[in-house]
Amino acid sequence: GAVVSQHPSWVICKSGTSVKIECRSLDFQATTMFWYRQFPKQSLMLMATSNEGSKATYEQGVEKDKFLINHASLTLSTLTVTSAHPEDSSFYICSARDDEDRDFYEQYFGPGTRLTVT
Amino acid sequence: GQNIDQPTEMTATEGAIVQINCTYQTSGFNGLFWYQQHAGEAPTFLSYNVLDGLEEKGRFSSFLSRSKGYSYLLLKELQMKDSASYLCAAMDSNYQLIWGAGTKLIIKP
Repeated sequence: GAVVSQHPSWVICKSGTSVKIECRSLDFQATTMFWYRQFPKQSLMLMATSNEGSKATYEQGVEKDKFLINHASLTLSTLTVTSAHPEDSSFYICSARDDEDRDFYEQYFGPGTRLTVT
Repeated sequence: GQNIDQPTEMTATEGAIVQINCTYQTSGFNGLFWYQQHAGEAPTFLSYNVLDGLEEKGRFSSFLSRSKGYSYLLLKELQMKDSASYLCAAMDSNYQLIWGAGTKLIIKP
């Protein structure tokens, strides 16, 4: 149980275009979802936290108009990178948490999406 | 402020034992997680400690001392597949994970 999927697993796009990444919890209700970014040889950087049906909470330094997050249902959250630039190239990872069920609020991670902007 | 410290890199020999340390400072505390991350992959859960003491799970064990703000991950009978980054993360009073930078573990034959 507790499986999180991400789509696509990798994407290449041209500078100036937008890219949407989907994160789905397959067998549990994700009341909270997290979006991380990871640059090579660095640790996870939390970008934003989203709760189903409400606006995402962005970490300091993350542009909310550039990284649009929509947590429309208890099983789906999307991250849209708008007007992508080469510096947005990174590994984007989502995680999901069922706040109603888990004793210790474990986050389950998706497999990640590697974005390359040319 | 909130902070997690762990060594950047460690090297060990196949078959040996290695201990990866982690110290933390958080606003409130709701537990300490260890994750394993292979290059290019997402993290996978290894262990969770909220009470002081040692939790053993096969070849991996995790220890916590709340009074010292200290944890370690102990890996026994090292295998080549254990070469990965090991991430320490503390959960604060808001149930948010504060992540360390990760320890890259290199296993040599």
